[in-house]
Amino acid sequence: EPEVTQTPSHQVTQMGQEVILRCVPISNHLYFYWYRQILGQKVEFLVSFYNNEISEKSEIFDDQFSVERPDGSNFTLKIRSTKLEDSAMYFCASRLEGNTEAFFGQGTRLTVV
Amino acid sequence: GEDVEQSLFLSVREGDSSVINCTYTDSSSTYLYWYKQEPGAGLQLLTYIFSNMDMKQDQRLTVLLNKKDKHLSLRIADTQTGDSAIYFCAEQLTGGGNKLTFGTGTQLKVEL
Repeated sequence: EPEVTQTPSHQVTQMGQEVILRCVPISNHLYFYWYRQILGQKVEFLVSFYNNEISEKSEIFDDQFSVERPDGSNFTLKIRSTKLEDSAMYFCASRLEGNTEAFFGQGTRLTVV
Repeated sequence: GEDVEQSLFLSVREGDSSVINCTYTDSSSTYLYWYKQEPGAGLQLLTYIFSNMDMKQDQRLTVLLNKKDKHLSLRIADTQTGDSAIYFCAEQLTGGGNKLTFGTGTQLKVEL
């Protein structure tokens, strides 16, 4: 069964460093998303991406964040200069079309020290 | 704006039924989802219901949707210890990027 895969599963980084979280969405899906979950809190929407551009972003998704689809398969989230409060589980999701179910990856746990 | 609420905890005995409730505020939702999250793990899609339905059954899981009251519930029949997890409901809205808005999550504890 096709699935969304994320790498790495866990990343530790020093405050101020740049990180890139990687996702491979399901191959024929057109809509891509990043969400995050701070430990013990709810899952929060960060950004949605369609047709090679951001279609919606939340207040959390400030200038420190960027997304890219560098080739036909990967979808990345870059945090330019990490802060302690960026420590969270980051989930990638994809869907085939606008009104179909979303499939989530297993997440990348980011720890900023 | 959209808001999705759930009770924080639910404790049941093994073999009993569990009912996890969720309320949402945005009436333009298209799909409503239930995800399961075990400790340290990702989000596992359990089931979903399209907004023009009022019930969906999938093995031990029954989803009930009351659009008038904006109330969604997940019933787990014959609850097992392996069902212990956090359960999130989420609504998907029309327009924009069709993002999901998640509830606060309900921690289900199944006792022997």
